[in-house]
Amino acid sequence: AQSVTQLGSHVSVSEGALVLLRCNYSSSVPPYLFWYVQYPNQGLQLLLKYTSAATLVKGINGFEAEFKKSETSFHLTKPSAHMSDAAEYFCAVSDRAAGNKLTFGGGTRVLVKP
Amino acid sequence: NAGVTQTPKFQVLKTGQSMTLQCAQDMNHNSMYWYRQDPGMGLRLIYYSASEGTTDKGEVPNGYNVSRLNKREFSLRLESAAPSQTSVYFCASVPTGDRKLYGYTFGSGTRLTVV
Repeated sequence: AQSVTQLGSHVSVSEGALVLLRCNYSSSVPPYLFWYVQYPNQGLQLLLKYTSAATLVKGINGFEAEFKKSETSFHLTKPSAHMSDAAEYFCAVSDRAAGNKLTFGGGTRVLVKP
Repeated sequence: NAGVTQTPKFQVLKTGQSMTLQCAQDMNHNSMYWYRQDPGMGLRLIYYSASEGTTDKGEVPNGYNVSRLNKREFSLRLESAAPSQTSVYFCASVPTGDRKLYGYTFGSGTRLTVV
């Protein structure tokens, strides 16, 4: 079975500082990996995805993530945090062998301090 | 705008009552999903429908039933609501084949409280 672990349920960063959100996955097949963002009282919006092409993936709003097979990781980064980045972020892995089900991590809530 | 539409947005039920959460997508997606979101637990899959006419259990199916009415619509039913079903429910859809690489599209959610 696939699983996703996000280290840190809450992260606090200063505006302009690096944002780093950690995600480790477990999958028996080469994975498809996703990062989603959820703003308060809204649904989930796709930030970026890894689907076995380039290992460094660029997404919306200046975010990027690097797939490292040897570390089974897919960490999300943004060089300079903005107040609008305050949200909850979810890492997910797709089970391509069974209906493309997404398995989510527990989420990381980001607080941006002025 | 194209997307996934969920109704209702908010609902309060008494223990033992029943209700159906509705979901419709207009993107011609084959696969549809129901998730529940609880604090600290991310989203957990309740049921999914890989294609019209099929449904399968996910991680937390107990207390729920689903119907894939047609390609557009996928409903979730609570037959006898319990306080443990207080949650935010999300419907999602995704195409199949190469287009699945575009990722899921999520609805805006239904916030359900069972008292």
